[in-house]
Amino acid sequence: EAGVAQSPRYKIIEKRQSVAFWCNPISGHATLYWYQQILGQGPKLLIQFQNNGVVDDSQLPKDRFSAERLKGVDSTLKIQPAKLEDSAVYLCASSNKLRILAGGPYFGPGTRLTVL
Amino acid sequence: DQQVKQNSPSLSVQEGRISILNCDYTNSMFDYFLWYKKYPAEGPTFLISISSIKDKNEDGRFTVFLNKSAKHLSLHIVPSQPGDSAVYFCAAISTDSNYQLIWGAGTKLIIKP
Repeated sequence: EAGVAQSPRYKIIEKRQSVAFWCNPISGHATLYWYQQILGQGPKLLIQFQNNGVVDDSQLPKDRFSAERLKGVDSTLKIQPAKLEDSAVYLCASSNKLRILAGGPYFGPGTRLTVL
Repeated sequence: DQQVKQNSPSLSVQEGRISILNCDYTNSMFDYFLWYKKYPAEGPTFLISISSIKDKNEDGRFTVFLNKSAKHLSLHIVPSQPGDSAVYFCAAISTDSNYQLIWGAGTKLIIKP
C-alpha cells in the first residue's frame, strides 16, 4: 500500500511569514494526525481528525495554527504568522482503529520547517 | 507533566551485543504500548507493540517486556546490528482517550562496529 505523503519536505521562511503543509493519508484511513517534533523531544500532537471532524486540537496554538481535512481525505496545516519557535519537523500520520493497537499510525516523512 | 518518560537520551552498544532501551509511565489507564524507530529525515516507523494484559512480546530480534506494577517497559534488541542505530520512541495509548498516543522523548541508539 502507498504510504503517507507529505509536501514540501523542507521549508525555510522568515518570521511573521505564513506557510502551509499538505498531507495525503493512506487510503481508507479515517484518522489523521498532525504532530510537531522539536529536536530532542517526542512528537507532540497538534490535531487529530476522525474523517473530517476534529477529535482533539487541545494543543494546537489556534491564534496562529489552523488545519482542515476536506472530504475526510487530504489535510493541510497552516501557520500564520510563523515564529522562531515554530522551527520543527511537522509529521502527518494516519490510521484506523483496528490498525492502531497492532501497529500504531503510519507516518509520513515529515516537513522540516526552519523559521529565520 | 510527562506521562511517558525515556530517561536515557542516548545509548551506545557494541555490535552483536544486547541493546536495552527503557521507558517509564505514570498513567495506569494506558492499555497499549508501542515502540517506534526513527531514522534522520524520515518519519517514525512502527517496531513492536504490547498489550497491558501481556508481559512479553517477541518479534525476531526485538522483544518488549512490560512490568505493570513498576509501570516500566523495556525493548531488547539481540543481537544489535549497525542498522539498528536510530532514535527509538516509546508511546502509550489509552483506548478511553480517543486512541491518542502519548510519546516519550526518545533514546538515540548508537551501534558501534
